[in-house]
Amino acid sequence: DIQMTQSPSSLSASVGDRVTITCRASQGISNFLAWFQQKPGKAPKSLIYAASSLQSGVPSKFSGSGSGTDFTLTISSLQPEDFATYYCQQYNSYPYTFGQGTKLEIK
Amino acid sequence: QVQLVESGGGVVQPGGSLRLSCAASGFTFNSYGMHWVRQAPGKGLEWVAFIRYDGSNEYYGDSVKGRFTISRDRSKNTLYLQMNSLRAEDTAVYYCAKVEGMWDSDYAADYWGQGTLVTVSS
Repeated sequence: DIQMTQSPSSLSASVGDRVTITCRASQGISNFLAWFQQKPGKAPKSLIYAASSLQSGVPSKFSGSGSGTDFTLTISSLQPEDFATYYCQQYNSYPYTFGQGTKLEIK
Repeated sequence: QVQLVESGGGVVQPGGSLRLSCAASGFTFNSYGMHWVRQAPGKGLEWVAFIRYDGSNEYYGDSVKGRFTISRDRSKNTLYLQMNSLRAEDTAVYYCAKVEGMWDSDYAADYWGQGTLVTVSS
């Protein structure tokens, strides 16, 4: 199975900051990588697919990059509603696997 | 607009069975693959199963293979997850999710349901 490792596991930032979350795959997954945002008690929300394509309705402050084994999610100009947990997921090969999550907290 | 509504969760004893449903609307259900994803209390997301748009292939996570079965009914626009031989570690909120691309073009999840809680306990 492909293991997905996110870093950091938690991150403190201030409103207005720009942050980057990294996701590393244990083997190459081309660009079959998605990012999700989840707030407490809510269903996940899809942000990015195919490593860098923005889901419909997601603001351009979210951006993704990478290919192969190393990927990043960047969030610019943090707003209070952006503080949440973020997950990456590979869908290159079964079983599909998620990273452990990165909790983004307000400093 | 796309809507996914899960139902069927509840409390079940270890070794028991439960069938979850996911009613889909607002899109052409028969043109999209579907996922089940779960989340144990206080834990991260775990992919459970996927079924292709036409139901021709199914794929499962290691922890549920041989015990869970994903299926779909095109006439009812509904996705199912039959869960047998349930264990305490299957306790989780179960989400259904639609994939991004029509037919086989992209299997990333885009829309998610609100989830249904399954508790396995004696």
